[in-house]
Amino acid sequence: GQNIDQPTEMTATEGAIVQINCTYQTSGFNGLFWYQQHAGEAPTFLSYNVLDGLEEKGRFSSFLSRSKGYSYLLLKELQMKDSASYLCAVMDSNYQLIWGAGTKLIIKP
Amino acid sequence: GAVVSQHPSRVICKSGTSVKIECRSLDFQATTMFWYRQFPKKSLMLMATSNEGSKATYEQGVEKDKFLINHASLTLSTLTVTSAHPEDSSFYICSARKVEGHYEQYFGPGTRLTVT
Repeated sequence: GQNIDQPTEMTATEGAIVQINCTYQTSGFNGLFWYQQHAGEAPTFLSYNVLDGLEEKGRFSSFLSRSKGYSYLLLKELQMKDSASYLCAVMDSNYQLIWGAGTKLIIKP
Repeated sequence: GAVVSQHPSRVICKSGTSVKIECRSLDFQATTMFWYRQFPKKSLMLMATSNEGSKATYEQGVEKDKFLINHASLTLSTLTVTSAHPEDSSFYICSARKVEGHYEQYFGPGTRLTVT
């Protein structure tokens, strides 16, 4: 079966750094996506990785290791507005997105 | 940009009635649109994949006669919940995929359906 694992909830302090991990087992791989979803809103696209390595975009970075079936999303200089759920999704060989359950990130002052 | 709109944002209806939700890609063409359902504190659940000009592909367990999907143009897909029941109350989200790019999906703002 296909499986995406990520922690259910994480807590971090404003101004700090947090790393959200995602491991996956899918039938084929055509890229990994990270989305941010605030409560009651639809997800918004954050990043896409298809090759191994780190992709940096402002305060957010995403890392991928295909051999390990592993990715992480790194958030720096945390702000209160970063409190949200972060969804990891993998595109399988049929170009279907397989979604993780999401990690709820709580930012404390 | 890649903007997707969804209408209505909230709807309350009585049991037995039908509700139509529209999903539009405003600044790009989308040959493929997706309809998701999300329960509180749960992840997205794909209901169906909608391709312009052809029948939608429904995920296992999703009743195609209850959730009617139409994708008549490259910028519009509709989901009609027929004979709605309280258990159909949920957050329904559509997304559209650009023809070009990395196949990322751009989401509409969602529709919160409450069936009384």
